[in-house]
Amino acid sequence: DTGVSQDPRHKITKRGQNVTFRCDPISEHNRLYWYRQTLGQGPEFLTYFQNEAQLEKSRLLSDRFSAERPKGSFSTLEIQRTEQGDSAMYLCASSLDVQPQHFGDGTRLSIL
Amino acid sequence: GESVGLHLPTLSVQEGDNSIINCAYSNSASDYFIWYKQESGKGPQFIIDIRSNMDKRQGQRVTVLLNKTVKHLSLQIAATQPGDSAVYFCAENTLRGKLIFGQGTELSVKP
Repeated sequence: DTGVSQDPRHKITKRGQNVTFRCDPISEHNRLYWYRQTLGQGPEFLTYFQNEAQLEKSRLLSDRFSAERPKGSFSTLEIQRTEQGDSAMYLCASSLDVQPQHFGDGTRLSIL
Repeated sequence: GESVGLHLPTLSVQEGDNSIINCAYSNSASDYFIWYKQESGKGPQFIIDIRSNMDKRQGQRVTVLLNKTVKHLSLQIAATQPGDSAVYFCAENTLRGKLIFGQGTELSVKP
């Protein structure tokens, strides 16, 4: 399967802990996006990279969130000092320039 | 602000019938839209896209119609099958590439 891969698929953690998610995009795609989706809602944009450069961050991305794409390939999204409100599905997508984005199956985060 | 919204949260159809899912948008400058299908526990899956220089685009069993005058688009699924049961989102693909999603319509196909 050469689609977008996300790891882990599920993460359960206690409030206040740090978590890190990984996304491996489709190999030839230069853009990588992170979205957050809560139950019954559409995905909400968090941030995106073109190659290794982070070009845009949503106001949803508080200073507890940080994303990296150090070599322009895989990306990580870290949440520090997790809060109950961080519980959501975190989706990664990739694209070639502004072509349609292809999504992974997400990481479901549950905060106890 | 920008928003993309859906008229109906749920749609139930009989297997074999055609389905029509509607979507309204507010930004008259929007020029690129994408429909995604999302099954339970999975990420959104690309179905079809349309740019503002087109009124209609057809794929395999799906057709997207775009009415720029009233800022409305629709997704038509022909001969709906049980495997079409999912949540469908329309999304605006902005100039910067980020997607702005609507709330979604849940399609339920009755056998």
